[in-house]
Amino acid sequence: TQLLEQSPQFLSIQEGENLTVYCNSSSVFSSLQWYRQEPGEGPVLLVTVVTGGEVKKLKRLTFQFGDARKDSSLHITAAQTGDTGLYLCAGLFFSGNTGKLIFGQGTTLQVKP
Amino acid sequence: EAGVAQSPRYKIIEKRQSVAFWCNPISGHATLYWYQQILGQGPKLLIQFQNNGVVDDSQLPKDRFSAERLKGVDSTLKIQPAKLEDSAVYLCASSLNEGRYGYTFGSGTRLTVV
Repeated sequence: TQLLEQSPQFLSIQEGENLTVYCNSSSVFSSLQWYRQEPGEGPVLLVTVVTGGEVKKLKRLTFQFGDARKDSSLHITAAQTGDTGLYLCAGLFFSGNTGKLIFGQGTTLQVKP
Repeated sequence: EAGVAQSPRYKIIEKRQSVAFWCNPISGHATLYWYQQILGQGPKLLIQFQNNGVVDDSQLPKDRFSAERLKGVDSTLKIQPAKLEDSAVYLCASSLNEGRYGYTFGSGTRLTVV
């Protein structure tokens, strides 16, 4: 059974601070996807990382996929109040030809002005 | 392109009543998913369709939940009878290519069972 452990579960920081969210598993994934969800809305895809060791940057957000494709991290530089939300990592694996996506528990980020 | 449409946005019912949710995925997306999300947690897959066939319903409580996707497009998820622990947000998503490029989610239906 594939499981994704996400940490921390809650994070409350001041605007301008840096933060890192971790996503860990004992399973290997085909890819790792990061989503952001705001209250009353569905998750929105931020990025997909596919290759072990891959690093992707999206403005102030940096995503990294572990060399063994079992873990990932999201680093936010100089957080802004607009970054507030629920951040979800999700691992894609295949059972036969069927792709399946499992989600971590999420990290609730609050950025205070 | 139009997003994933879901209705209703909110629903309040009494326990033991029935409820149905509707989803219209992005045109051309063969795979459709229903997820249950408890407040503050990650979504949990309930059922996955490929066109109009079920490919995974292992976590669907089949004694009370049912879902169908007629003609491989729209889908409905039904709960009958509802329990208090069914209170959650029900998210519908669709994807291309087995989700390699990510899922597109609807805004969800918030269900409260009282």
